[in-house]
Amino acid sequence: DAGVIQSPRHEVTEMGQEVTLRCKPISGHDYLFWYRQTMMRGLELLIYFNNNVPIDDSGMPEDRFSAKMPNASFSTLKIQPSEPRDSAVYFCASSPRRGSYEQYFGPGTRLTVT
Amino acid sequence: AQKITQTQPGMFVQEKEAVTLDCTYDTSDPSYGLFWYKQPSSGEMIFLIYQGSYDQQNATEGRYSLNFQKARKSANLVISASQLGDSAMYFCAMREGGSGSGYSTLTFGKGTMLLVSP
Repeated sequence: DAGVIQSPRHEVTEMGQEVTLRCKPISGHDYLFWYRQTMMRGLELLIYFNNNVPIDDSGMPEDRFSAKMPNASFSTLKIQPSEPRDSAVYFCASSPRRGSYEQYFGPGTRLTVT
Repeated sequence: AQKITQTQPGMFVQEKEAVTLDCTYDTSDPSYGLFWYKQPSSGEMIFLIYQGSYDQQNATEGRYSLNFQKARKSANLVISASQLGDSAMYFCAMREGGSGSGYSTLTFGKGTMLLVSP
């Protein structure tokens, strides 16, 4: 079975530009998560969805960040406008609604904003 | 107070030896789950093992086992017979609340870097 798929794997952009990160969760998983990882702050949960509905976006840093999940197999995280402090690795993860609810992570998108 | 504490920033072990990575947690919820993830230098986060608060036995998955001491609120990861490929960052995480109480998110520790030498 395919795991969580993220694209692009690497993104380099200039300050002020719009950045869109994409995620395809594991088929059949009900939950989808967006995380950000930096050396300073570690792994931070930005937002998560249950059955395509955003449940908790309290981790979204500011209004420049937005996330959508138009259907069960696709989600986007958008940063507009991007800033150098947004440079990080962004992970998408998905989880089934059963068992231990373990989360399976995608390979991540390494974002560099210059 | 931190919910997940990993006190070892780095650990060194020789190949074929066993190693224990420490994790302590803080919760007042009687129902919770504990997870360990591995992050190699390539960057992906790999789920390793899970322990539920009501599980009577320590979880095991191949060379990984979880030394669950509920009274001490510790959930240490034990890797037996270390291999060079075990060199990675290891994260402990906790989910509070049982699976029947609705979803609650994972809280991650800051991680322990494990280096396995030949």
